Amino acid sequence: ETGVTQTPRHLVMGMTNKKSLKCEQHLGHNAMYWYKQSAKKPLELMFVYNFKEQTENNSVPSRFSPECPNSSHLFLHLHTLQPEDSALYLCASSQPTTRTRYGYTFGSGTRLTVV
Amino acid sequence: TQLLEQSPQFLSIQEGENLTVYCNSSSVFSSLQWYRQEPGEGPVLLVTVVTGGEVKKLKRLTFQFGDARKDSSLHITAAQPGDTGLYLCAGDWGGGADGLTFGKGTHLIIQP
Repeated sequence: ETGVTQTPRHLVMGMTNKKSLKCEQHLGHNAMYWYKQSAKKPLELMFVYNFKEQTENNSVPSRFSPECPNSSHLFLHLHTLQPEDSALYLCASSQPTTRTRYGYTFGSGTRLTVV
Repeated sequence: TQLLEQSPQFLSIQEGENLTVYCNSSSVFSSLQWYRQEPGEGPVLLVTVVTGGEVKKLKRLTFQFGDARKDSSLHITAAQPGDTGLYLCAGDWGGGADGLTFGKGTHLIIQP
């Protein structure tokens, strides 16, 4: 247990489905992130939230919609996904003032398969 | 595009051998971090290096930050099967930009 909890761990969804990924941290961090990890590619930064405000959207398709209701929770809403969206989706958190020194704390990820 | 190149991509060696993996960029980092990721889990921070020329040791792992802060290396002495995993370097560009930039990683397998 790292302190960042992601649910579900595994998700299989059809291209017409709507689902949501959840991330929760109680580390007192004020920044939260969504990353996508695909085979043979570097981790891709998708979204960044600082103090509940979205500060970065890394050209992510609109079929991915983030939501950050408070500093402890982060969601990724999914709809009409494509098979190439199948990947491991990682949530991370950090304290902006100490990120350089202490890095990110990652969750275990959600393994998403789009069929 | 600011890229981090890691090499080698794959490495399989016998238990007890030494190895070095590299992380290179053409740009200067404000800091660089190394993570290790095991199958089915998220990356876990191993170390952060901030100062050019800095060397940090974590048991049998030695991390070095290049003098110009553009590159880093990870050296493992007497590798053990428990060292098996994906080793990721991540650069923090600073300057107010948020989000780390990751390399593709080095897949390391230590065979008993």
